[in-house]
Amino acid sequence: QSVLTQPPSISAAPGQKVTISCSGSSSNIGKNYVSWYQQFPGTAPKLLVYDTDKRPSGIPDRFSGSKSGTSATLDITGLQTGDEADYYCGTWDSSLSAGVFGTGTKVTFL
Amino acid sequence: QVHLQESGPGLVRPSETLSLTCTVSGASIDSSYWTWIRQPPGKGLEWLGYIFYSGSTTYNPSLGSRLTISVDSSKSQFSLTLTSVTAADTAFYYCARVATVTRLDYWGRGTLVTVSS
Repeated sequence: QSVLTQPPSISAAPGQKVTISCSGSSSNIGKNYVSWYQQFPGTAPKLLVYDTDKRPSGIPDRFSGSKSGTSATLDITGLQTGDEADYYCGTWDSSLSAGVFGTGTKVTFL
Repeated sequence: QVHLQESGPGLVRPSETLSLTCTVSGASIDSSYWTWIRQPPGKGLEWLGYIFYSGSTTYNPSLGSRLTISVDSSKSQFSLTLTSVTAADTAFYYCARVATVTRLDYWGRGTLVTVSS
């Protein structure tokens, strides 16, 4: 069972902004950096955001991450066709001494 | 460009041992931590454990003593061994590079392992 909770699905129109939440606790998001991964069907996850708010080279600035307390957020602005995918948050849990992932959010178009 | 490739049997019988290998190219295996992640079909991601080139490991406590991760620097490979498998271990298994504990920057394509008699 995942330690981090995300909404199962979010739908939006092309061009709109999508906000994906990731809720955790003081032992994980509350004290560690957060990463976000994008996954298309049949492919491996791809790093989208790391250290809570940093983007790897090649990731457009339409994707941005943040956190407040024990929750993290991934914003996608100007939603495009190619953004329909599953999104996972991830971090380290200092109490479990283990990496943990969110339950995953499927982003689709209205 | 860093490239990771998983290899191993796609079918394992219940109660037997699952063994996978990840071959790394484009980067020195001696310079990073490396990890295994799995994903049951249609479900979410589960972190299994990671290893440093020195052999130092950290495992997901939920797997108990069933999991072993090892490294062979001479072959630029690291491996996963999971004992006493059940149908619950059926999943896509991914290997990845750990740039930092919360930054998995390069992933293999994944391999599906099915546990069935």
